[in-house]
Amino acid sequence: DTEVTQTPKHLVMGMTNKKSLKCEQHMGHRAMYWYKQKAKKPPELMFVYSYEKLSINESVPSRFSPECPNSSLLNLHLHALQPEDSALYLCASSQSWFRDSYPYSNQPQHFGDGTRLSIL
Amino acid sequence: AQKVTQAQTEISVVEKEDVTLDCVYETRDTTYYLFWYKQPPSGELVFLIRRNSFDEQNEISGRYSWNFQKSTSSFNFTITASQVVDSAVYFCALRCGGGSNYKLTFGKGTLLTVNP
Repeated sequence: DTEVTQTPKHLVMGMTNKKSLKCEQHMGHRAMYWYKQKAKKPPELMFVYSYEKLSINESVPSRFSPECPNSSLLNLHLHALQPEDSALYLCASSQSWFRDSYPYSNQPQHFGDGTRLSIL
Repeated sequence: AQKVTQAQTEISVVEKEDVTLDCVYETRDTTYYLFWYKQPPSGELVFLIRRNSFDEQNEISGRYSWNFQKSTSSFNFTITASQVVDSAVYFCALRCGGGSNYKLTFGKGTLLTVNP
């Protein structure tokens, strides 16, 4: 069983809906990630949270809004999505610490099973 | 900039054959980390191994082995006596050691099909 839990596993939504993807980990990791993966492609990084603060936003459209309520939870709020946003959304976490004042990690990222999102 | 190349898009073998998945990386950093992940059809990426740039020994874990060659910037993965359950997409990934280094650069993946 994966140690990173994502819900829901499948989501179908219309372009005008608002929904949220949830991710939870209890490994004490302080870095959490959202990835988008299209079929037959590698995962693409969307956001990184480090110590509950947004550390990286890879120029993701504002219709995707991440949130990190606490060190174990990561949400991705969805609004007014487009059909091209249909994909597998993966959450990951890793150990993190500060080195020379920078958040840092060289540890493997542990992934959840993902949410398969379909936009009608 | 960093880059990972997995030249083999798809590989098909018969059960019990040995198979090697190639990975070539590019980075200017002297400290970096290489990873292999397995993605079965269910979707989860399963971590297999991490290799530091300063490690010298190759690694074996059961039927899996990894060959790190710094001179050729390669980190190849061999499965011995393959099994049907090994069928998956395998990703090689690179993480650099400088600054805030959260970004993981993935190769395009190799789809391995092991036929009975």
